[in-house]
Amino acid sequence: DGGITQSPKYLFRKEGQNVTLSCEQNLNHDAMYWYRQDPGQGLRLIYYSQIVNDFQKGDIAEGYSVSREKKESFPLTVTSAQKNPTAFYLCASRGGYGYTFGSGTRLTVV
Amino acid sequence: GQQVMQIPQYQHVQEGEDFTTYCNSSTTLSNIQWYKQRPGGHPVFLIQLVKSGEVKKQKRLTFQFGEAKKNSSLHITATQTTDVGTYFCAGWDSGYALNFGKGTSLLVTP
Repeated sequence: DGGITQSPKYLFRKEGQNVTLSCEQNLNHDAMYWYRQDPGQGLRLIYYSQIVNDFQKGDIAEGYSVSREKKESFPLTVTSAQKNPTAFYLCASRGGYGYTFGSGTRLTVV
Repeated sequence: GQQVMQIPQYQHVQEGEDFTTYCNSSTTLSNIQWYKQRPGGHPVFLIQLVKSGEVKKQKRLTFQFGEAKKNSSLHITATQTTDVGTYFCAGWDSGYALNFGKGTSLLVTP
């Protein structure tokens, strides 16, 4: 079945660590996105990529980095510069009208 | 930039009652999309509205797009416990990524 796979489902990060969240899709979609969800805040755009080897900052890109070396993959790195990283991270892709979302990664700073 | 606002933030209804959530944009939208996120889950695409004044139905759900293409609503007739979740509207921000409202969380008690 086609879809988006995010891993891990839960991730714990120590202060000062960088962590990388995986996002893989087999939908053959060009556009991919990363959103952050906090309680009561909706979804806020971190980065997006419309094509391989190209990506753009979203509204809250500070403290995050991405790469898009393959069409199928769009990993997100949460760096130590992100001061409040505890959140639910959602990856999405778009092939037609709407987004297809992965099941998310819940990141907690310990 | 574009802002998408939703009201109410929360709604608690008895099973069988109707429910409506409203979405307003600070700018004219080319189209608007609606998503549903079940508790603990990820957003799932419901529908896209494109035309001014458009009305679409999906079983007990009725979606409307305003005449000025700056507002939209989702109405659920005779809610069921399966309708529980958060409903998001979203519009395109600069044509590259969706800008989501903060969502309306619906709780249905039997």
